[in-house]
Amino acid sequence: DTGVSQDPRHKITKRGQNVTFRCDPISEHNRLYWYRQTLGQGPEFLTYFQNEAQLEKSRLLSDRFSAERPKGSFSTLEIQRTEQGDSAMYLCASSPSTGNEQFFGPGTRLTVL
Amino acid sequence: DAKTTQPPSMDCAEGRAANLPCNHSTISGNEYVYWYRQIHSQGPQYIIHGLKNNETNEMASLIITEDRKSSTLILPHATLRDTAVYYCIVRVLVSGTYKYIFGTGTRLKVLA
Repeated sequence: DTGVSQDPRHKITKRGQNVTFRCDPISEHNRLYWYRQTLGQGPEFLTYFQNEAQLEKSRLLSDRFSAERPKGSFSTLEIQRTEQGDSAMYLCASSPSTGNEQFFGPGTRLTVL
Repeated sequence: DAKTTQPPSMDCAEGRAANLPCNHSTISGNEYVYWYRQIHSQGPQYIIHGLKNNETNEMASLIITEDRKSSTLILPHATLRDTAVYYCIVRVLVSGTYKYIFGTGTRLKVLA
């Protein structure tokens, strides 16, 4: 499968713990996006990378959130000191530099107890 | 803030055309309309997009009004596998970055 992959697919953690999610985009795509989706809502933009550069961060991305794409390939999203309100589906998408369409991964569902 | 409004839910009989409306009255002249769908517990899947002209591909047709304030996604022969949440999205350019602004979508149920 050459689509966008995310790991893990599900994560259950206790409040206050740190979690890290990984996204592997389609190999030739240099643009990578993170979204958050809560129940019954559409995805909300969190942040965007072009190659290894993080070019945009939403105000939704508090100081407890950090994202990296160190070599311009895979990306990680870390949440420190998780809160119950962080429970959501975290989606990753990628697109080619000249393309319009974003290709989404299956998401990581986070549950904070 | 979402730039699109959609009915929260619709039903469609299997084999019939499903027509999903979307209002985007504040869309700017260079902002594209995209449609994605999301089947339960999966990531959104691209369907079609357009700017001014009507578009058609193997999955669907997109009809955009002349004033661009609304559009309709048409699934010509709906099947049970088309049951999903359908998102009408405006792609905006903000600080040099293209962003998708999702609304809350329309939950389409295709009935046997």
